[in-house]
Amino acid sequence: QKEVEQDPGPLSVPEGAIVSLNCTYSNSAFQYFMWYRQYSRKGPELLMYTYSSGNKEDGRFTAQVDKSSKYISLFIRDSQPSDSATYLCAMSAEGNSGTYKYIFGTGTRLKVLA
Amino acid sequence: NAGVTQTPKFQVLKTGQSMTLQCAQDMNHEYMSWYRQDPGMGLRLIHYSVGAGITDQGEVPNGYNVSRSTTEDFPLRLLSAAPSQTSVYFCASKVAGAGEQFFGPGTRLTVL
Repeated sequence: QKEVEQDPGPLSVPEGAIVSLNCTYSNSAFQYFMWYRQYSRKGPELLMYTYSSGNKEDGRFTAQVDKSSKYISLFIRDSQPSDSATYLCAMSAEGNSGTYKYIFGTGTRLKVLA
Repeated sequence: NAGVTQTPKFQVLKTGQSMTLQCAQDMNHEYMSWYRQDPGMGLRLIHYSVGAGITDQGEVPNGYNVSRSTTEDFPLRLLSAAPSQTSVYFCASKVAGAGEQFFGPGTRLTVL
């Protein structure tokens, strides 16, 4: 079993739709949860960064973490064609010698149709 | 402030050739890492460094070497390229401890 599972999509939605992207994980030691956006042929860029359970909102984006279910979500409201990208979830836990282990999901490809 | 830069952007190698992928950051980050990204596999950690002179292996280190002589630079060396190393390589950096990793634009490598 992979430590992080993410539906690869592709997910196609009409402009203005609410998008829900999800990841599940198996390691209860993960403490920090992130969502990265990656445009085609570019490097990942951080969208949301949360610690522990709860919600965090930033403009049209809301990140949700449920540690009891080992489930994280990213919601995009009023989706735009410019949101078309691959979304990677990531999580980290403290490892040996104070370093942090980061694990990435495989990414969900999102296409927002104008 | 250029962030994380990588060169070259594209490279084609023949099996058995060696090369170095360059990575530099100007944010004075202690932690730097190299990932490879393959379809359906996500980002996998190759090697990482927690500071100048200190490196360690990640999940998929075989066939790659790294060194960290300065805070700014973290080159990745392919010793004898194999077709299985065809991938997109990303360098990332961050401050010590938990926190956001900043990624470079990537190097697309094809090994024939």
